[in-house]
This record gives sequence, structure tokens and C-alpha cells, in this order.
Amino acid sequence: GAGVSQSPRYKVAKRGQDVALRCDPISGHVSLFWYQQALGQGPEFLTYFQNEAQLDKSGLPSDRFFAERPEGSVSTLKIQRTQQEDSAVYLCASSFSRGNMNTEAFFGQGTRLTVV
Amino acid sequence: SQQGEEDPQALSIQEGENATMNCSYKTSINNLQWYRQNSGRGLVHLILIRSNEREKHSGRLRVTLDTSKKSSSLLITASRAADTASYFCATDAHSNSGYALNFGKGTSLLVTP
Repeated sequence: GAGVSQSPRYKVAKRGQDVALRCDPISGHVSLFWYQQALGQGPEFLTYFQNEAQLDKSGLPSDRFFAERPEGSVSTLKIQRTQQEDSAVYLCASSFSRGNMNTEAFFGQGTRLTVV
Repeated sequence: SQQGEEDPQALSIQEGENATMNCSYKTSINNLQWYRQNSGRGLVHLILIRSNEREKHSGRLRVTLDTSKKSSSLLITASRAADTASYFCATDAHSNSGYALNFGKGTSLLVTP
């Protein structure tokens, strides 16, 4: 398909377990974003990549959160030692533009993480 | 923190009626976008309005922007049951690098047949 693909769609993790969430952006999109969406809330920015460079990670809530995009396409968001407050939907988005958000972002369907 | 705030939080109307949702934001912006999210799914871009534009149309959607009041509205005309979803405004302000979209909490719209 031509859209942003995220896997897995659902993940249940035991508290303390490490998880890895994958995002396949639209081919050729320079910009890639990760957002966290708690139940009943809007998405909250986590981090931004321009190609393989992580230009903004100001939204990552703690040092347990780590993201990478080593070849400038697929990205992985890793959460170490998961806590219950990490339960949320993690959304990935990509955009053709670089820099400021002056064009639309295309979102994946998200990964719903539940920490038990 | 979330830049935009949508109003109302929830809206219930009947098919055929118009739905109006409002968004207020706090700091200067380059553009404002509206997104739609069906339950359990990702966000879909609806429309982008730039800071030098006052009104924009796309099909049954009409968006206005008042930068002096730091507010925007989304009007959906002749609503359909399929319009049932959450609607979010997003601005390009705030983040350290200026790259992020900042979303409000959304308006949950229910359109009943």
C-alpha cells in the first residue's frame, strides 16, 4: 500500500518489558514524526526525523524512550522497562516537506500499547 | 502541552444539519490544520489554512482563521452519519525545532441518522 504502515497494531507488554514499535513511512517522505495519544486526548509530539537525522526529541517523556531511523526510511520507537503510564496509542506520521509543517502529514493507524 | 483547544468537546447532531467546531490557540502560527480521526484509527488530514488566509473551502468543509483572535472554525455542511469522528486542529507552533504539529484535545462529533 501507499500509506504509512505501523506494526504491530496492538501490543500488550508486562510492566518492565521492553517493546519496539515499527513505522514504514510513505516512500520518499523526508520527514517522520512519532506521536503519543492517550485515551481521550489529542496526539502529543514525541520526536522528529529529517531523513536519518533526529532533529527534535524534545517530546520524549523519559530516557526510557528511544527512536531511530538509521537509513532514513523505516523508523523504530523503543520503550525500555515499560510502565503503566506508557499505555497509549503511538502514531507515526510522514511528510514530503522538510522543516516547518507547511504541508499535510500522513498518519499510520497507530500501535495501541497496553502495559499490564 | 497542547497548543490548540477545541470547542465543544462533544457535539451531537442529526444528519443534514451543519456542524461547527472551534479551535483556539496561544502563540503565533504559520499555518493551522484540521484532522479527522475515526475511532481506533489514524488521523486523516482535512484541510490546511495558512496564516495569511482567512477562509478556505474543500467540498462540504469550510475553515476560517482569525489570527487576531487566535482562533479557527471548521464547518461541516449537510452532515452525514459517516462524518461521525473526532476532529482535531493542529498548529505548527511551540516545539523546540518548529517541526512538530501541536494538537488540541479534539471535538467528538456524533451524527445520527
